[in-house]
Amino acid sequence: GAGVSQTPSNKVTEKGKYVELRCDPISGHTALYWYRQSLGQGPEFLIYFQGTGAADDSGLPNDRFFAVRPEGSVSTLKIQRTERGDSAVYLCASSLSARGAGAYEQYFGPGTRLTVT
Amino acid sequence: RKEVEQDPGPFNVPEGATVAFNCTYSNSASQSFFWYRQDCRKEPKLLMSVYSSGNEDGRFTAQLNRASQYISLLIRDSKLSDSATYLCNQGGKLIFGQGTELSVKP
Repeated sequence: GAGVSQTPSNKVTEKGKYVELRCDPISGHTALYWYRQSLGQGPEFLIYFQGTGAADDSGLPNDRFFAVRPEGSVSTLKIQRTERGDSAVYLCASSLSARGAGAYEQYFGPGTRLTVT
Repeated sequence: RKEVEQDPGPFNVPEGATVAFNCTYSNSASQSFFWYRQDCRKEPKLLMSVYSSGNEDGRFTAQLNRASQYISLLIRDSKLSDSATYLCNQGGKLIFGQGTELSVKP
């Protein structure tokens, strides 16, 4: 079946602009995760959804970052007033609903490479 | 101490070698652990899940030592195609290690 998809695959934007990154999880997966990854580092947790609600948003670095999942499927990560330090690969993953975040295997999308100039 | 810490690497080994690297964790309550493999400029892909003392899948063996709070990944008979970064994930905590890079040479 189809895996996790993310769009766009690459996004170049100017400092100060607004961007939206989209994630379409595996059908039937109720848990959805956003991470960002910089070169040479492991994925850094941003936010986790269980269904439509954000179960844990403790990883969002500041209030410029926001994510939604209005119908419990597709999710959008929104970044306002982008800064050069936001440049990274943004990864989305999904998993079966579980007894707590991360208790099941996560399946990752190909990521969106964001470059802020 | 970081919650999940991995051997920094890189590990450079010849084809056919056996290589092992470790991942230490700080949360003793975790019941599940995962190893992911990540190729250059690609997304992480699940390699192995560990829910009890260990797991084996072909040339790959993961072992969990709860007393010392670490999980290891052993790769036997290394292939060139095993070259990648290996990420450790502590289930229940959305935290990944920084990754261990493995390079298998002919």
